[in-house]
Amino acid sequence: RKEVEQDPGPFNVPEGATVAFNCTYSNSASQSFFWYRQDCRKEPKLLMSVYSSGNEDGRFTAQLNRASQYISLLIRDSKLSDSATYLCVVRGGSARQLTFGSGTQLTVLP
Amino acid sequence: EAQVTQNPRYLITVTGKKLTVTCSQNMNHEYMSWYRQDPGLGLRQIYYSMNVEVTDKGDVPEGYKVSRKEKRNFPLILESPSPNQTSLYFCASSLSLAGEQFFGPGTRLTVL
Repeated sequence: RKEVEQDPGPFNVPEGATVAFNCTYSNSASQSFFWYRQDCRKEPKLLMSVYSSGNEDGRFTAQLNRASQYISLLIRDSKLSDSATYLCVVRGGSARQLTFGSGTQLTVLP
Repeated sequence: EAQVTQNPRYLITVTGKKLTVTCSQNMNHEYMSWYRQDPGLGLRQIYYSMNVEVTDKGDVPEGYKVSRKEKRNFPLILESPSPNQTSLYFCASSLSLAGEQFFGPGTRLTVL
């Protein structure tokens, strides 16, 4: 089983739609969680950190469920510019390494 | 401008010819790392460094070497490249392990 697993998609949604991605992790001692965004052929960039209490940044909401070992990302009112690959990132129990999921591809259609 | 730079951006080489990919950051970050990205496998960490002269293996270190003689630089060395090292490579830095990772623009390497 992979340490961090994501549904690869692709998710094709119309503009204005709400879309949700889940990511599961295997190490129950994992300490930090992030969502990164990667545009085609470009470097990943931090979208948001994920806090235990959940957090929101504009149209984006991130949730952490430690009991079930998954994190989620909700995007409301999708824009064309949201089209990208979304990477789930987890810092494991060793606290020295980050593990990236393989990414979920989102395309927002006009 | 705060940034991570990598050179070269694109490289085509042949099996066995030693090469170095440079990485430099101007943010005074302690933590630096190298990743490779392959289709369906995501980003996998090759090596990381917590500080000058401190380096550790990541998940896929075989066939790679690194050094951290200065805080700002973290070169990736392939002593004898092989075709299975054809990949997209990213260097990243952060203030701390839990902090935001800043990535370089990537180096696309092809080994024939």
